[in-house]
Amino acid sequence: EAGVAQSPRYKIIEKRQSVAFWCNPISGHATLYWYQQILGQGPKLLIQFQNNGVVDDSQLPKDRFSAERLKGVDSTLKIQPAKLEDSAVYLCASSFLGMDTEAFFGQGTRLTVV
Amino acid sequence: QQPVQSPQAVILREGEDAVINCSSSKALYSVHWYRQKHGEAPIFLMILLKGGEQKGHDKISASFNEKKQQSSLYLTASQLSYSGTYFCGTESGRNQFYFGTGTSLTVIP
Repeated sequence: EAGVAQSPRYKIIEKRQSVAFWCNPISGHATLYWYQQILGQGPKLLIQFQNNGVVDDSQLPKDRFSAERLKGVDSTLKIQPAKLEDSAVYLCASSFLGMDTEAFFGQGTRLTVV
Repeated sequence: QQPVQSPQAVILREGEDAVINCSSSKALYSVHWYRQKHGEAPIFLMILLKGGEQKGHDKISASFNEKKQQSSLYLTASQLSYSGTYFCGTESGRNQFYFGTGTSLTVIP
């Protein structure tokens, strides 16, 4: 079974530039999550989708971050414009159905904002 | 709202046991446990739902005391492969899921 795919693996951008990350969840998984993990900290949930609808985006900085999951499969997370404090690993995860089922994480995208 | 884990770090010799605690200030619906190795994605260990669950997974088990709003992860007869950072994640209601502060575990020969 293929795992959660993310791209790119690494990205370096200057502050005020924009960046986008892509995620392809495990086939058949209805729930998709985006997490931000700053070095030395636990992951922070940014947004949770159920199919193509948003379940929770309470911790997403909506002035600069946006995410979509068209057709309930792939998802993209965008930052525009980026700030230095956005430097982190962005993890995508998926689960069969909701927070009570096992979540599988992708390898993440390491973003460095200079 | 972020759960607090203790200890922050622990070093064990192979074969020794360890306990990692996760404590929340809010009533909990569920507790999730993950292990993350350096530079890798978190790996799911188990989910415990309210009702005072206990679960076991090989030599790793966990308990959930919803009255105390706490969960503990038990690692017995530790192996080198157990090294990593352990995170609990707590769900205390709709739109209220937070990972804990993390516990770094190092197993040495």
